[in-house]
Formats: sequence, C-alpha cells, structure tokens
Amino acid sequence: SQELEQSPQSLIVQEGKNLTINCTSSKTLYGLYWYKQKYGEGLIFLMMLQKGGEEKSHEKITAKLDEKKQQSSLHITASQPSHAGIYLCGADMWPRYNTDKLIFGTGTRLQVFP
Amino acid sequence: NAGVTQTPKFQVLKTGQSMTLQCAQDMNHEYMSWYRQDPGMGLRLIHYSVGAGITDQGEVPNGYNVSRSTTEDFPLRLLSAAPSQTSVYFCASRFDRGNTGELFFGEGSRLTVL
Repeated sequence: SQELEQSPQSLIVQEGKNLTINCTSSKTLYGLYWYKQKYGEGLIFLMMLQKGGEEKSHEKITAKLDEKKQQSSLHITASQPSHAGIYLCGADMWPRYNTDKLIFGTGTRLQVFP
Repeated sequence: NAGVTQTPKFQVLKTGQSMTLQCAQDMNHEYMSWYRQDPGMGLRLIHYSVGAGITDQGEVPNGYNVSRSTTEDFPLRLLSAAPSQTSVYFCASRFDRGNTGELFFGEGSRLTVL
C-alpha cells in the first residue's frame, strides 16, 4: 500500500478554472515536496514544505502543509494549458521513522483544455 | 552543470538477460536513489544510498542490486530481467540525507523486457 495517497488520480479542467490536488499520509511527514512531470519527461521541482501550517507560492501555484503535517494541498489558480502534466507529492520519513526513504504518492494527472 | 546523468535512455532486453543502468552526478551529493515509474503507480523507491559504501533497500528492491563505490556513481543492476521490470527508471540525488532539500532527477531510462 502507498504511504502517500494523492487525490484525485486524474483531473480535467477548463482553462481559467481553479483546482486543488491533495496529498495525505497516515504518518507525520518530516518534509513534503511537490514535483511536476510533463508527459514522457523528467521531474521539475516545484516547492518544499517543512513546518506545520507552512504555505508557499510560485506564480499561480500555492502549496500548503497542514498543522499536523499529515496532509498537503496544491492549488492552481486560473489554470493554463502549460499547467498540464503529472503532479507528484513526495515526503521524507527521516528522521522520525529512522529511515532515509523519500517516497512519493501515486500522482495526479492534470489536463487543461481551452 | 551536467547534474544527474543516466544512461542508457532506452533499452530493450530479453527475459533472463542482465544489464546495468548507470547514474552519475557532479554535484558532490551524498544521497542518491533509484525509482521506477509505472502507469498509475507514481514513483516507487528501489534502493538508496546515503554515501559511498552505504546502501539500503527501498519499497521495491527485489530483482535489483546496487553499489556505491564513489560519491559520483550509483549503478542499478538487473541480474535476470523479467517482464515485470518493464518501466521507466529515474535516478535522483540530493545534498545529504533526510530533509535537506529537493531531489535532483535524471531524465529517466525507459526499459522494456520482452
């Protein structure tokens, strides 16, 4: 079973609409990362969150980490075709669980149509 | 900067053959890791290393071997390829162990096992 669950698995939105992607764990996360992957290409780093309640923004993308550090959301405002791709959340399990694993969720496939 | 370099980019194997996926980074990163990406599964951690001479298993280590004789290189060996190992493989590195910032990814290696 995946330790990080992402929802939804797939999202189709019209250009200009807002959207939210969620990343949830049953464990407390030490560090939370968001990446974007264009179809068939490598991964692009978006943001890293470390503290409970932390929020970061870059252009039209905002990521938040909840106070308990078990859930993160990625919000895109006024979506554009350039936002299309696969969004992946990743999390550090070290040091709380004494492992250096950085694991990822199942991904959310986003399509934006004109 | 070259960053993280993976070779080969594409490979076709027959069941039972062996091969090595090469990964090299020029950023003097201590932490290196290998992931596989299958449709609908996100990224799954195969093996990782926190420094030369130190490796550990990730989520899906069976069928793969790794070694880390230098800081720069982290090869992934498939001893006897199986169709279930058909996937896209990503190598990644970062400065140090847990929660020290983003992972830098290679461009991926697409492996098909017939």
